[in-house]
Amino acid sequence: GAGVSQSPSNKVTEKGKDVELRCDPISGHTALYWYRQRLGQGLEFLIYFQGNSAPDKSGLPSDRFSAERTGESVSTLTIQRTQQEDSAVYLCASSLGRGETQYFGPGTRLLVL
Amino acid sequence: SQKIEQNSEALNIQEGKTATLTCNYTNYSPAYLQWYRQDPGRGPVFLLLIRENEKEKRKERLKVTFDTTLKQSLFHITASQPADSATYLCALERSNDYKLSFGAGTTVTVRA
Repeated sequence: GAGVSQSPSNKVTEKGKDVELRCDPISGHTALYWYRQRLGQGLEFLIYFQGNSAPDKSGLPSDRFSAERTGESVSTLTIQRTQQEDSAVYLCASSLGRGETQYFGPGTRLLVL
Repeated sequence: SQKIEQNSEALNIQEGKTATLTCNYTNYSPAYLQWYRQDPGRGPVFLLLIRENEKEKRKERLKVTFDTTLKQSLFHITASQPADSATYLCALERSNDYKLSFGAGTTVTVRA
């Protein structure tokens, strides 16, 4: 069974452009999380999806950030009008359910010029 | 505000020695504390979880302690090997929550 996959692995964009990051969770995992990891810092929670429940968006840093998930499968994180401070690694994780071990993808490295 | 601090310095040790990493937290009451390993260019990989009512947990060459009075966890890698070289992250979780709060990590390098 494949692990969590993310695409693209690297993304370079110009300030002001929109970007879309994709996460494919492990099959059967109902919970999905997005985190941001800035250089030299700990992971910051962004958003959490659990089944068909309303997502917990409490970690999104601004209204430029949004995420969607189709059922219990793919999720996309969208950053509109990117800023240089958005440069970071964006990590996705999935788990069997709330409070279960989280399995992380390799991340998408975003660089905003 | 909540704060999670790990060894600020990178840890360089000789193969065969024990590496000891610290994770200190303030303004937080975690029910669980987890340790992850992260290799360059990869996502974190779960290693161990210890609950607030547990003092110590072991897994192969790894040992974790959790002192809720001192608000500290220690992570030990015994008989270290060059393959143990990586960044180790501690993460805290409340009992009524599922979001993990991570420290910045400590980079360990084991010399052959």
